[in-house]
Amino acid sequence: GNSVTQMEGPVTLSEEAFLTINCTYTATGYPSLFWYVQYPGEGLQLLLKATKADDKGSNKGFEATYRKETTSFHLEKGSVQVSDSAVYFCALIPINTGTASKLTFGTGTRLQVTL
Amino acid sequence: KAGVTQTPRYLIKTRGQQVTLSCSPISGHRSVSWYQQTPGQGLQFLFEYFSETQRNKGNFPGRFSGRQFSNSRSEMNVSTLELGDSALYLCASSARPGQGEQYFGPGTRLTVT
Repeated sequence: GNSVTQMEGPVTLSEEAFLTINCTYTATGYPSLFWYVQYPGEGLQLLLKATKADDKGSNKGFEATYRKETTSFHLEKGSVQVSDSAVYFCALIPINTGTASKLTFGTGTRLQVTL
Repeated sequence: KAGVTQTPRYLIKTRGQQVTLSCSPISGHRSVSWYQQTPGQGLQFLFEYFSETQRNKGNFPGRFSGRQFSNSRSEMNVSTLELGDSALYLCASSARPGQGEQYFGPGTRLTVT
């Protein structure tokens, strides 16, 4: 089956520090990969995506590269802000799912950024 | 464009009762998926509806059901509530099935006592 593994949190960083949140996946074929973010008291928001190997998704200073050889999609940001404090979810959807929109999520990684 | 809306936002029910949650997708989106989020199990897929038909179902008991109306609004129902059903229920919409780019509502926080 499909699965996503994320590093355990919480991750605590000082403002302007470099962020990496690791994500690896198991899937049949080559899925599309996503990072979603959940701020306190809210639903999930799509942060970035990549649909094929070597694609780099980017948004709001965050980046992640689809690495087929290591089945990874690590999230990075060069300089975090307090406003980035949230829970980050790595997710996948298999390619050629037909009519299925089922996202498989990792367990989430809580990021806390302090001044 | 208005986002995905869910009602109610908070709900407290007693064991054995039933509950209905509502979701209105983004205008023009015809696919609606439901997810359950709990601290222990994380985010788990419940089911997906498109054109008033259930297209996919997760591994949940039959007490969990849903439907979709002709205007794409969706409802989910949980009967004979158990304490373990306490969770945040998230609805997500997309233009069509098979899309990983989904737009989530704020969720309904259900507490079963």
